[in-house]
Amino acid sequence: DTAVSQTPKYLVTQMGNDKSIKCEQNLGHDTMYWYKQDSKKFLKIMFSYNNKELIINETVPNRFSPKSPDKAHLNLHINSLELGDSAVYFCASSHHPGGSTDTQYFGPGTRLTVL
Amino acid sequence: EDQVTQSPEALRLQEGESSSLNCSYTVSGLRGLFWYRQDPGKGPEFLFTLYSAGEEKEKERLKATLTKKESFLHITAPKPEDSATYLCAVPNQAGTALIFGKGTTLSVSS
Repeated sequence: DTAVSQTPKYLVTQMGNDKSIKCEQNLGHDTMYWYKQDSKKFLKIMFSYNNKELIINETVPNRFSPKSPDKAHLNLHINSLELGDSAVYFCASSHHPGGSTDTQYFGPGTRLTVL
Repeated sequence: EDQVTQSPEALRLQEGESSSLNCSYTVSGLRGLFWYRQDPGKGPEFLFTLYSAGEEKEKERLKATLTKKESFLHITAPKPEDSATYLCAVPNQAGTALIFGKGTTLSVSS
């Protein structure tokens, strides 16, 4: 069983479109995250959700909106896609927020290409 | 500002040639340092967590060590399957997120 799964694996779309990426974890964790990995492989936190509550938002444009229907799911919706949004997006989860003493487990990633 | 710096950026080794990767950090009040391995096209895979200076952890050919300013990932007699990008991360001062370094891409040739 995959612990953290994401769909789709690849997403190719035109500038200006709206798209969503889905994430599910079956680890029973309370906190989920979205990270962006750019072309230089730099992994940077975007959001985290703890018990359906957004607890951080790191200078991310408001075109990006995380939505959590329940503790096991955290979806990422992106409006008006721009060329600079092209990257690999990773979902992760941990028992508690921030991963200060908790390990974060990552999904396989979604490669978004904006044309 | 909390920062994590990894070196070298890339490392090429022959099979069996041992070496070390470095991760230095500036966050104060360290509450843990994490090492991950990332294979091309995959998500980061957890390797180790170190909590205090002097701590060491081992897994197969990998050994991670921690001082007050930096961590080392020692690779002993590497094999081609150890080729990957190795990432280190620390919690930010607020304890709300992990800050990742840019990684070291290791290539081991037979």
